[in-house]
Formats: sequence, C-alpha cells, structure tokens
Amino acid sequence: SYELTQPPSVSVSPGQTARITCSGDALPKKYAYWYQQKSGQAPVLVIYEDSKRPSGIPERFSGSSSGTMATLTISGAQVEDEADYYCYSTDSSGNPLFGTGTKVTVL
Amino acid sequence: EVQLVESGGGLVQPGRSLRLSCAASGFTFDDYAMHWVRQAPGKGLEWVSGISWNSGSIGYADSVKGRFTISRDNAKNSLYLQMNSLRAEDTALYYCAKDRARDYGSGSYPGKWGQGTLVTVSS
Repeated sequence: SYELTQPPSVSVSPGQTARITCSGDALPKKYAYWYQQKSGQAPVLVIYEDSKRPSGIPERFSGSSSGTMATLTISGAQVEDEADYYCYSTDSSGNPLFGTGTKVTVL
Repeated sequence: EVQLVESGGGLVQPGRSLRLSCAASGFTFDDYAMHWVRQAPGKGLEWVSGISWNSGSIGYADSVKGRFTISRDNAKNSLYLQMNSLRAEDTALYYCAKDRARDYGSGSYPGKWGQGTLVTVSS
C-alpha cells in the first residue's frame, strides 16, 4: 500500500535550520501539507499546498516539493518548535493519508 | 473563532458500537467539508473519513470501510461518526477537523482541529 515516508527524528540547535522530508511516489502530482503536533495538543496546519503558510504561522516555516519528495524547513528553529511533524497528501486515487511522522528536537 | 468539540468517546467492548459527535461553531458549518482523524496511543495520525459540505461525497480509510459511517447534520452544525464492530485496534483519540473547502476529494485536507475524544476498545 502507498506510504509517505518521513525520518523518525531530526535534531537541531536553536537558531539553526531543520529540514524534514516526506517521500511518496504520488507527490509529483499531489500537494503536500504539513502539521505540527506539540505534546498533548491537537495538530496545527503549518504548510498547505506544498509551500503556502496559513495566517498566524511564523515565517520561519516554509515548504517545498520536488519530484517524489516534499520538504518542511524551519529556518532559525526555536525551542517552541519542538514537536512531532506530519506530512499529509493523497495517493494516486485520491485517498488521503498522513506520513509516518518526525520528532523534531531543538537542543 | 472556530471551535470543534468532540464527544461520545469511552470504553466499549470489542464488537460493540459507539457514535461520536462533533459540535461546530464560529464558522458557517455547511460551507465546509469535514474529516475524522484518529491517533492511537503513542502512535501517528491516521485519516479515518471525510465528507463534503452536502454529504454528496464521502470517503473512508480501508481500515474502517464497511464498519464506520460518517454523517453530518448541517441544521445542527454537527458531524458524526458511527462506529460498528469495534476492534481493539480502533482504540485511539478521535479528532474532528474542518476542511478549508466545501468539497471532499482531490485537494481536500484537514485545517482546524478539535481536541479529540478518546475511544478505548477493550473487554
């Protein structure tokens, strides 16, 4: 079955850049979306349609997509960015799914 | 302010049924598609089901197809998930989420989320 594969964990020092990847065969033709989930909280949308940022999301969050890989970049990571991050997209038939998730540690 | 409040979770035995509800406020409910997403304890997110603004388009994850039914009552600003033949693997926190568009389908995605309601399936 179709999967969106993410690295289990990413570590970054405060002020540095974190990049989280999401790999899927349908991504060349499907948008990617990114959600941030802090411990004990509901997910929050941080990027939609590959690279658009919802209102209220800091500019340090950006997204891109090329070929079979989408990337969420946190430029100048802050301690408060420590969270689990999930990509979301659809398979070639339009069935939605989430990525495997990435735990981002800022230390 | 958009608010989504889930209810109806609890402890249920395998094979039994449960109905979840999601009360929406702060936006025009019948202008948006809606989703259910779940998260098993300590695990990742799993999309469960989606429904368009007028219930004309509906989708389910393979893991729940034939057992779960999504519905909505636009007059009551409410979303529902009828869960039958529950299994231990259905144990999860169930989130209701508002789409950013009217139609469920290509380009549909969860935008704003509620805080979830916990379903535990165990004997």
